[in-house]
Amino acid sequence: GAGVSQSPRYKVAKRGQDVALRCDPISGHVSLFWYQQALGQGPEFLTYFQNEAQLDKSGLPSDRFFAERPEGSVSTLKIQRTQQEDSAVYLCASSNPTGPGETNEKLFFGSGTQLSVL
Amino acid sequence: QKEVEQDPGPLSVPEGAIVSLNCTYSNSAFQYFMWYRQYSRKGPELLMYTYSSGNKEDGRFTAQVDKSSKYISLFIRDSQPSDSATYLCAMSEFISNFGNEKLTFGTGTRLTIIP
Repeated sequence: GAGVSQSPRYKVAKRGQDVALRCDPISGHVSLFWYQQALGQGPEFLTYFQNEAQLDKSGLPSDRFFAERPEGSVSTLKIQRTQQEDSAVYLCASSNPTGPGETNEKLFFGSGTQLSVL
Repeated sequence: QKEVEQDPGPLSVPEGAIVSLNCTYSNSAFQYFMWYRQYSRKGPELLMYTYSSGNKEDGRFTAQVDKSSKYISLFIRDSQPSDSATYLCAMSEFISNFGNEKLTFGTGTRLTIIP
């Protein structure tokens, strides 16, 4: 596709439910990031993939959060036993770095999935 | 205390005015500084990217970095109603060949340009 696609756009979950959020990065992009953006806040880093390898998951807030990218393209962020504090917009971003200094100019964000936990 | 501080606003200015947006930071290791624009219900899009101290100009936008003061600014000249959005500053410690640098964002400043 032309850009980073995320689905669903909106998700309402009851507290305790499991949810799965999908990200389709730009075709061929090696790097994929997940960020969490709470209302009125800036995005906060969750995890990073290089192809299928999850190289950094230091931002995942608890072991209820799990991300995968099994074939190095589509990624899924799964949240188990959702809590109200998980309510936020989950942003996916991808890039295809070509060398030092160019990387962040090529970082493209999707429109996000807005998760509301009731 | 957050690593990156940004006044959330809201900020309203008349069309044609010069807008000044700012961030301060505490992490001396930050070397790369970015400004993103985020429209409502959209993802952030990169506006400006600066390495280390100095100025960078792109059309109506100018980014300034003062590492000695740990202070960065974005100036918008001849502001337009279409500039109404949330502006996020972002920083990273390094840029690698692998694109694995994570960004630390400010909270964002909500800007409205009044026609």
